[in-house]
Amino acid sequence: DSGVTQTPKHLITATGQRVTLRCSPRSGDLSVYWYQQSLDQGLQFLIQYYNGEERAKGNILERFSAQQFPDLHSELNLSSLELGDSALYFCASSVVARPNSPLHFGNGTRLTVT
Amino acid sequence: AQSVTQLGSHVSVSEGALVLLRCNYSSSVPPYLFWYVQYPNQGLQLLLKYTTGATLVKGINGFEAEFKKSETSFHLTKPSAHMSDAAEYFCAVSDNTGKLIFGQGTTLQVKP
Repeated sequence: DSGVTQTPKHLITATGQRVTLRCSPRSGDLSVYWYQQSLDQGLQFLIQYYNGEERAKGNILERFSAQQFPDLHSELNLSSLELGDSALYFCASSVVARPNSPLHFGNGTRLTVT
Repeated sequence: AQSVTQLGSHVSVSEGALVLLRCNYSSSVPPYLFWYVQYPNQGLQLLLKYTTGATLVKGINGFEAEFKKSETSFHLTKPSAHMSDAAEYFCAVSDNTGKLIFGQGTTLQVKP
């Protein structure tokens, strides 16, 4: 158990809908990262927060947004969903936002858009 | 910009045989390198990391990796494969924000 909790585990929704994925980092970790994993794209970095502030942005679509709250949990919002958004979404956390600080991953949320 | 290339999307070995998973990196600064393992329907678990110091890094489950700057490589090895090692393995390099850039992954199959 990594200590990172993601909910829900599975999500099935229709095209055009909006969903929210939730992540609770390990106790004491200040940095949260979101990744998307799909068969064709592999593991793609979406966005990073550190202590409530956006730190880095990757291949995140404009239809997607995220935030980190004062209690350090994070939410990833996906809107106007398309079939191609079906993927496994991972949250990871680390103590600090430094290159030598390993990331600890949750078990992911599997999103299926029908 | 940093990047990672994993050579071989699928590797198959017999139980008890040597496991070698290849990873080459590109980085304009001294790299911080990681190997993660992903079992079916699970998240990624850290196997080992190289930050500074000793170039031969030992990890969990009997795995180790050697950082070779001259070859820009960070290959993962295990002397004797077990059936339980069957999984997908990811090599990654960290950038200055701490985020990881992953390779495409290598699926390890272990045959009895």
